[in-house]
Amino acid sequence: EVQLVESGGGLVQPGGSLRLSCAASGFTFSSYWMHWVRQAPGKGLVWVSRINSDGSITTYADSVKGRFTISRDNAKNTLYLQMNSLRAEDTAVYYCARRGEGHYAPLDYWGQGTLVTVSS
Amino acid sequence: QSALTQPASVSGSPGQSITISCTGTSSDVGSYNLVSWYQQHPGKAPKLMIYEGTKRPSGVSNRFSGSKSGNTASLTISGLQAEDEADYYCCSYAGRPGVFGGGTKLTVL
Repeated sequence: EVQLVESGGGLVQPGGSLRLSCAASGFTFSSYWMHWVRQAPGKGLVWVSRINSDGSITTYADSVKGRFTISRDNAKNTLYLQMNSLRAEDTAVYYCARRGEGHYAPLDYWGQGTLVTVSS
Repeated sequence: QSALTQPASVSGSPGQSITISCTGTSSDVGSYNLVSWYQQHPGKAPKLMIYEGTKRPSGVSNRFSGSKSGNTASLTISGLQAEDEADYYCCSYAGRPGVFGGGTKLTVL
């Protein structure tokens, strides 16, 4: 069974940093592209970042470019999101999601999310 | 403002059919048969219901179907059930990842 479990969320002050983790199991993690998607309270889904299977290609939404860094450790089956210079508007539940097989595949499995709150 | 436009809410009675629209442009929905639909219950993770416009993942009820006409994709749920009450999001490939709609709240009356 595919499982994605996020952790690392919490309350952080504006300008602070946080690192999210996503532990994957039930599939060959090193074969799949992975994404981060966030959802502000009461709002819709917003794509944040993606990384290819070996970690050599990363892409970011304009709103987080230069502040967030996506990475992965295939030996540990874990995806990361390093978030720096956090702003109030980064407050959201952050989901990790697996892209299915194929370049145009949808996000077929999602974790339960971890809440990040940026507030003083 | 989301790149894809969905109605904020739709409703229907048990057993009825409802359709949720997702309007994009000729650069996203209109150019690719790559619209996916996600169901999200309160406090839960999104669940993939439809991909590539019309395909259902294994385990998803055949009461859920997808279609497209021009720049508008649609999700139809037939034989509405109480457990279908949720938020629904469309997503389209657009030469870049993850263009989502604003979401539609489905209420089962």
